[in-house]
Amino acid sequence: AQSVTQPDIHITVSEGASLELRCNYSYGATPYLFWYVQSPGQGLQLLLKYFSGDTLVQGIKGFEAEFKTSQSYFKLRKPSVHWSDAAEYFCASFGNEKLTFGTGTRLTIIP
Amino acid sequence: GAVVSQHPSWVICKSGTSVKIECRSLDFQATTMFWYRQFPKQSLMLMATSNEGSKATYEQGVEKDKFLINHASLTLSTLTVTSAHPEDSSFYICSAVTYQETQYFGPGTRLLVL
Repeated sequence: AQSVTQPDIHITVSEGASLELRCNYSYGATPYLFWYVQSPGQGLQLLLKYFSGDTLVQGIKGFEAEFKTSQSYFKLRKPSVHWSDAAEYFCASFGNEKLTFGTGTRLTIIP
Repeated sequence: GAVVSQHPSWVICKSGTSVKIECRSLDFQATTMFWYRQFPKQSLMLMATSNEGSKATYEQGVEKDKFLINHASLTLSTLTVTSAHPEDSSFYICSAVTYQETQYFGPGTRLLVL
């Protein structure tokens, strides 16, 4: 069965510093992978998605993600975080006609 | 982008009462909507898949009689928590799928059962 795991429950980053969030997947075939952000009072917003092709995917708000089959990861990155990036981030995979979410990583930004 | 709304955004009710949560796709038609439940500091767990004009498909372990889902039109799905109890307190999130198979999420409904 498909699954995604996010090993980091909580990450704290200084404003302006770079960010990397980890997501590991387990799936038999090439997965469809997504990164979502959840801010208080707002619905989940899609940052980017990977279906196939290039291993580096560009998303919104300056985010990008690297997909690596050999190590089964789909890392979310941002070169320089802003205070407004503080939120909960979810990795998800799509299979069997449904999304399966990771447990999420809470990102805290410090001045 | 497409907008999905949920109403109410939060609700407090007494144990034993039923609560209805609405999910609407505001600017597109959705043949499929999903209902999720999110516990504090945990992931979203899919409860059921709602298809317009047919019965919902529930995930294993989700009580059909407890969580009634009705997808009456292409823009509206409702989740009714029947005879709610404190353990039903949670954050309920819906999503709607466009014809291009893009999934948009609602802002969620926080339910507190006293």
